[in-house]
Amino acid sequence: AQTVTQSQPEMSVQEAETVTLSCTYDTSENNYYLFWYKQPPSRQMILVIRQEAYKQQNATENRFSVNFQKAAKSFSLKISDSQLGDTAMYFCAFISQGGSEKLVFGKGTKLTVNP
Amino acid sequence: KAGVTQTPRYLIKTRGQQVTLSCSPISGHRSVSWYQQTPGQGLQFLFEYFSETQRNKGNFPGRFSGRQFSNSRSEMNVSTLELGDSALYLCASSPGTGVYGYTFGSGTRLTVV
Repeated sequence: AQTVTQSQPEMSVQEAETVTLSCTYDTSENNYYLFWYKQPPSRQMILVIRQEAYKQQNATENRFSVNFQKAAKSFSLKISDSQLGDTAMYFCAFISQGGSEKLVFGKGTKLTVNP
Repeated sequence: KAGVTQTPRYLIKTRGQQVTLSCSPISGHRSVSWYQQTPGQGLQFLFEYFSETQRNKGNFPGRFSGRQFSNSRSEMNVSTLELGDSALYLCASSPGTGVYGYTFGSGTRLTVV
């Protein structure tokens, strides 16, 4: 069974600075996908970024980028130029390719961006 | 393009009652999944439907059930509610597979008293 671990329950950062959220996972599969989701107080989970395990190139979406280390089973999220609107819970998630269609989530990291 | 719509937003039920939650996916999406979110257990997968068929099921008791209609709308039902069923229930949809990322609704907050 796959597991996803987020070791930082809470983090804070000053506006305009850079912050990195950590995520590790465990799987015996070779083909899978990883995601970072953001959940603001509005409760809706919003997809931030997606990484395909068979691609070595790290995914980037505007201010958001990942550091994907497949051998180490590590998938960290870097937020550059942090904005107040980035304040939210961030969840790392895993899904198998051609498998159960089930997202496995970490426990989340609560990020607060301070003015 | 309308997003994933969940109704109701909030619900208060008494222990022992049953409840039905509704989810309308994004138009054209045929896969609908349900997740339970609690502070203690985090986000847990309940089940996933595709074209009216349950493809996958999580480790929840039989009191939790769901269905999907021909228009892809989905409902989940919880019978004989327990206090521990209090949670945020999230619905997510995708065109057919979640490997491209699911789109989530804002959830239904269920409180069992």
